[in-house]
Amino acid sequence: DADVTQTPRNRITKTGKRIMLECSQTKGHDRMYWYRQDPGLGLRLIYYSFDVKDINKGEISDGYSVSRQAQAKFSLSLESAIPNQTALYFCATSDFQGGSTDTQYFGPGTRLTVL
Amino acid sequence: QKEVEQNSGPLSVPEGAIASLNCTYSDRGSQSFFWYRQYSGKSPELIMFIYSNGDKEDGRFTAQLNKASQYVSLLIRDSQPSDSATYLCAVERAGGTSYGKLTFGQGTILTVHP
Repeated sequence: DADVTQTPRNRITKTGKRIMLECSQTKGHDRMYWYRQDPGLGLRLIYYSFDVKDINKGEISDGYSVSRQAQAKFSLSLESAIPNQTALYFCATSDFQGGSTDTQYFGPGTRLTVL
Repeated sequence: QKEVEQNSGPLSVPEGAIASLNCTYSDRGSQSFFWYRQYSGKSPELIMFIYSNGDKEDGRFTAQLNKASQYVSLLIRDSQPSDSATYLCAVERAGGTSYGKLTFGQGTILTVHP
């Protein structure tokens, strides 16, 4: 089984709908991240969580919210989806040990289309 | 100026050649540098990271870091068609809550043709 899973893998929705993307991990990592990827723009950080009680905005958090239900689960919500939120969304995890490089591991991605 | 900028692609090299991928960054406080490979429709996977000036080799891959010039590169020796992918450079800032927060470049598409 994959260490980082995302559901759904593909979703088509309409403008104004509320959408939740879910991420689960079995790696036992404390840190979890949500990114979106658009062609030519690389990956951009939406939200990140360093533990269950610590949630922080990334560079493009407007229009999104998150919930860290447990160490293993981190959900991303679009409260009222709009077409420019059409993108590929990735969840990632990392296991920061302190004073060293923090490697991130990515889930398979969710392709979201907002019509 | 973008925080992390990669050489514009796409880059096309013949099989067996050396592919050179470049990345510059603007924050001098950056500490760690990562290269990810992403096949079309797949998630990024880590190739290697580097945090000390100089070269770091792993098989056919060599990462080179020059902090004075704010430059990091990835060399792929004996390129194979299976190396065809998008390569993402990512930079981690140093200090406090910046650990673990990566800033990515826009990616360079590499095609290795037989």
